[in-house]
Amino acid sequence: GAVVSQHPSWVICKSGTSVKIECRSLDFQATTMFWYRQFPKQSLMLMATSNEGSKATYEQGVEKDKFLINHASLTLSTLTVTSAHPEDSSFYICSARDLAAFRTDTQYFGPGTRLTVL
Amino acid sequence: GENVEQHPSTLSVQEGDSAVIKCTYSDSASNYFPWYKQELGKRPQLIIDIRSNVGEKKDQRIAVTLNKTAKHFSLHITETQPEDSAVYFCAASWGAGGTSYGKLTFGQGTILTVHP
Repeated sequence: GAVVSQHPSWVICKSGTSVKIECRSLDFQATTMFWYRQFPKQSLMLMATSNEGSKATYEQGVEKDKFLINHASLTLSTLTVTSAHPEDSSFYICSARDLAAFRTDTQYFGPGTRLTVL
Repeated sequence: GENVEQHPSTLSVQEGDSAVIKCTYSDSASNYFPWYKQELGKRPQLIIDIRSNVGEKKDQRIAVTLNKTAKHFSLHITETQPEDSAVYFCAASWGAGGTSYGKLTFGQGTILTVHP
């Protein structure tokens, strides 16, 4: 149980275009999902907390107009990188908490999306 | 906000030896401390976690200890094997509700290499 998927697993786009990444909880409901960014040989940095049915909460320094988050259902959150630039190239990973789990603080991670902006 | 420091950044051991990775955290309100193993290009995988009401937890060759007073926690891997080679991350979060509920702050990571 507790499987999280992401799509696509990798994407290459041209500078200035927008890219949408999907995060799905496959066998559980998640009112809260988290989006992380990981640069090569670095740790995971939380970008935003995605809440079902409400606006996302962004971490300091993360541009909310550039990284649009939508959490329209209990199993799906999307991250759209708008007007992507080469410096946005990174590994984007989502995670989700199981609403019905005995321990709701455990986070399950998706497989990540490798974004390369040319 | 929470700050997590992790040491060492790299750790090299011989197969069969033990490995210890240490983390310190700053926010005394943090009460959940997971450890993740991440292989290159893959998702972080939870290997063990501990909550603030417990001082130690063990799962086969892996153990975690927590010292709330000193605000540090450690990962212990015994009888290491080459397949244990990966990057290990510690993290801390505060689970008391509100907008900060469940937010994980990660340490910088430790590259563990187990030599056959």
